[in-house]
Amino acid sequence: GENVEQHPSTLSVQEGDSAVIKCTYSDSASNYFPWYKQELGKGPQLIIDIRSNVGEKKDQRIAVTLNKTAKHFSLHITETQPEDSAVYFCAALEPYAGGTSYGKLTFGQGTILTVHP
Amino acid sequence: NAGVTQTPKFRVLKTGQSMTLLCAQDMNHEYMYWYRQDPGMGLRLIHYSVGEGTTAKGEVPDGYNVSRLKKQNFLLGLESAAPSQTSVYFCASSAVTSYNEQFFGPGTRLTVL
Repeated sequence: GENVEQHPSTLSVQEGDSAVIKCTYSDSASNYFPWYKQELGKGPQLIIDIRSNVGEKKDQRIAVTLNKTAKHFSLHITETQPEDSAVYFCAALEPYAGGTSYGKLTFGQGTILTVHP
Repeated sequence: NAGVTQTPKFRVLKTGQSMTLLCAQDMNHEYMYWYRQDPGMGLRLIHYSVGEGTTAKGEVPDGYNVSRLKKQNFLLGLESAAPSQTSVYFCASSAVTSYNEQFFGPGTRLTVL
């Protein structure tokens, strides 16, 4: 099955700096890579995703890059703000196997991002 | 539109007690999931359902049972709770698409003494 490794486990930055979180995956058949943000006391929420036929995607201050050859993808947050402080999870989606199977999401271990004012 | 809701929010059990966690979604999603979240281990899938009346095992199913009698509800049961089941439990749901964005509930914090 898929294995997703996420680094670093904690990341501390000053407001206005950039933050980068990296993930690697093991199954070359995985074709969808979402990033979730989890604020304290809440459930994870999708913030950006990328499909395997795209190398980069950007949405305002956040961007995700994907290197299929190396099997790694990264989340980039520019001009960080205190409200960016949260736990971030990457995930990889294994494709459907047909029939009643579904696409299984495998999550990384999470990164605690702290943005200091 | 409440999205995904979970009850209860907090619960403390003694070893050997049983309980049921309820998940409800109002987005007419076919797929529903139960995860547990432990420090440093991300989210691990316990059980999932691809439709009303169907359930399947995920990565860590032992000690848990589930039921999906109605499309909008997914129940997670602990028949005989153990301290190792102390965790935060999240329910999620998704539509039937090729790239299934999962929508998560707010979580249930369970402590087993």
